[in-house]
Amino acid sequence: SQTIHQWPATLVQPVGSPLSLECTVEGTSNPNLYWYRQAAGRGLQLLFYSVGIGQISSEVPQNLSASRPQDRQFILSSKKLLLSDSGFYLCAWSFRQLEAFFGQGTRLTVV
Amino acid sequence: SQKIEQNSEALNIQEGKTATLTCNYTNYSPAYLQWYRQDPGRGPVFLLLIRENEKEKRKERLKVTFDTTLKQSLFHITASQPADSATYLCALQRDGGSQGNLIFGKGTKLSVKP
Repeated sequence: SQTIHQWPATLVQPVGSPLSLECTVEGTSNPNLYWYRQAAGRGLQLLFYSVGIGQISSEVPQNLSASRPQDRQFILSSKKLLLSDSGFYLCAWSFRQLEAFFGQGTRLTVV
Repeated sequence: SQKIEQNSEALNIQEGKTATLTCNYTNYSPAYLQWYRQDPGRGPVFLLLIRENEKEKRKERLKVTFDTTLKQSLFHITASQPADSATYLCALQRDGGSQGNLIFGKGTKLSVKP
């Protein structure tokens, strides 16, 4: 069966520090991968999606970036965090654009 | 511009009643539409998918309708229970073909009172 792992679950980082969130999927090949952010009281905002290794589409210009170094690995990064980067980050995968399966999420607080 | 709108931010109903949630979209022509449930502090969980050529789909106490003319989907929970309290999200594929991505509405927070 397929599983998705996202870590860490909680993260507190100072403004200006770097960020690296990792997501891995097991049990499937060539999935579509997604990074979403959910700010408090708001909906899911699609940040990046990827349909294959090295293929990244950005939805919202910002100081975040994403990479897909392996088929089932998706990384969200920032060189310098801003206060506005605080939120709940969710990684998800889907196959052929059908239902999406989400990780447990990372609660990021930038202080 | 393309939009997905879930008309109600919150819906309060009594246990045993039917909850009806609405999802409207504009400037899309999705091949299918999906509904998810999200509990606080957790990622969304897939519930149902309905295709453009399906008018209605059911799963246990859940029923989804899809009207491509009205550009609207309705999500029903019959015989609602307090355990059904959660935020419900609709989602659709923004672009066609293999390059599509999944876009979500802001959700409707359902509270079922005992």
